[in-house]
Amino acid sequence: KQEVTQIPAALSVPEGENLVLNCSFTDSAIYNLQWFRQDPGKGLTSLLLIQSSQREQTSGRLNASLDKSSGRSTLYIAASQPGDSATYLCAVGGGTASKLTFGTGTRLQVTL
Amino acid sequence: GAVVSQHPSRVICKSGTSVKIECRSLDFQATTMFWYRQFPKQSLMLMATSNEGSKATYEQGVEKDKFLINHASLTLSTLTVTSAHPEDSSFYICSAVPDPSTDTQYFGPGTRLTVL
Repeated sequence: KQEVTQIPAALSVPEGENLVLNCSFTDSAIYNLQWFRQDPGKGLTSLLLIQSSQREQTSGRLNASLDKSSGRSTLYIAASQPGDSATYLCAVGGGTASKLTFGTGTRLQVTL
Repeated sequence: GAVVSQHPSRVICKSGTSVKIECRSLDFQATTMFWYRQFPKQSLMLMATSNEGSKATYEQGVEKDKFLINHASLTLSTLTVTSAHPEDSSFYICSAVPDPSTDTQYFGPGTRLTVL
């Protein structure tokens, strides 16, 4: 059974800092990995999707990497802003449009 | 972009009553929709996979008679929590898949259920 863990569980940084969120998964036989953002009491917004054959994806200030063999992914956020404050979830997929297994989440707060 | 809506956004009900939550894909058709549950400060847990025109597939430990899923059309799936109890209080989120050949799921905004 796939298990996905995220470290740290919570993180508070001052505005402008670069930061890294970590995600690890137990079964390396994944199809893809996604990073999502969730604001309090809201649904999910997809940030980045990495296919199993890819090493990284970039979107604006966000960069996600994937090391399938070691079961790890990182989300790098450059020049953090207060608007980045949210919970970040990683999720691994086992097949096309298949169900996702979500991580435990990292609650990020960017302070002024 | 693809939009998924859920109704209601919040619902409070008495113990023993049934509650229906709707998940709609507003600008695309979805043969597959997923239902997730999220307890406070926990991650999303998949409850079931809803396929249009067929029975839903439930994850281990999810009671199919308690959580009734109906995917009657390509734009609507409903989750009915029957005989709700306080332990069913949770945040329920659905997602919809526009194209089964891709990896994209679009998530609804969620429904907060509180059972008194």
